[in-house]
Amino acid sequence: AQTVTQSQPEMSVQEAETVTLSCTYDTSESDYYLFWYKQPPSRQMILVIRQEAYKQQNATENRFSVNFQKAAKSFSLKISDSQLGDAAMYFCAYRSSGGGADGLTFGKGTHLIIQP
Amino acid sequence: DGGITQSPKYLFRKEGQNVTLSCEQNLNHDAMYWYRQDPGQGLRLIYYSQIVNDFQKGDIAEGYSVSREKKESFPLTVTSAQKNPTAFYLCASSIAGQGIYEQYFGPGTRLTVT
Repeated sequence: AQTVTQSQPEMSVQEAETVTLSCTYDTSESDYYLFWYKQPPSRQMILVIRQEAYKQQNATENRFSVNFQKAAKSFSLKISDSQLGDAAMYFCAYRSSGGGADGLTFGKGTHLIIQP
Repeated sequence: DGGITQSPKYLFRKEGQNVTLSCEQNLNHDAMYWYRQDPGQGLRLIYYSQIVNDFQKGDIAEGYSVSREKKESFPLTVTSAQKNPTAFYLCASSIAGQGIYEQYFGPGTRLTVT
């Protein structure tokens, strides 16, 4: 079974600064998908960014980018120019690419605090 | 507007009673999922379904049951056999099959059992 580990229960960053959230995972599969989801106080889960394991290029979405290190099984999220609206729980998630409709395996999350 | 609805937002039950949580989607997705979230924990998969009349157990299916009689609906029943039913429950849907498809989540139902 796959596992996802987020080693930082809480992170704090000054507004407009850059912060990196860590995620490592364990799998024996060679092809899979990785995601970062955001859960603000409303508790609505929102997709931030996604990465296919076979792609070497790191995914980017505006101020959000990832550092995907497949050999190290690491998938960190970098948030540039942090904004107050970025304050939320952030979850790293893994999904097999074996077809069908497998669910996501989530880490325990990192609570991101933005200091004004 | 396309999306996923879950009702009710808050649900209270007495111990020993079964309770059914509703999940409806109008995104025309084949795949649907139920997750449970506890404080300080990530989401854990309870059940998922790829297609009507078919569903699979997730990591923590004990004490739960589901049905998938319609493409749009995937209700979850929390039975009296579930030892710690108080939690936040999230329903999601996605396109089924291979591909890096996003799972879209509903707003969740907070279940409290006393």
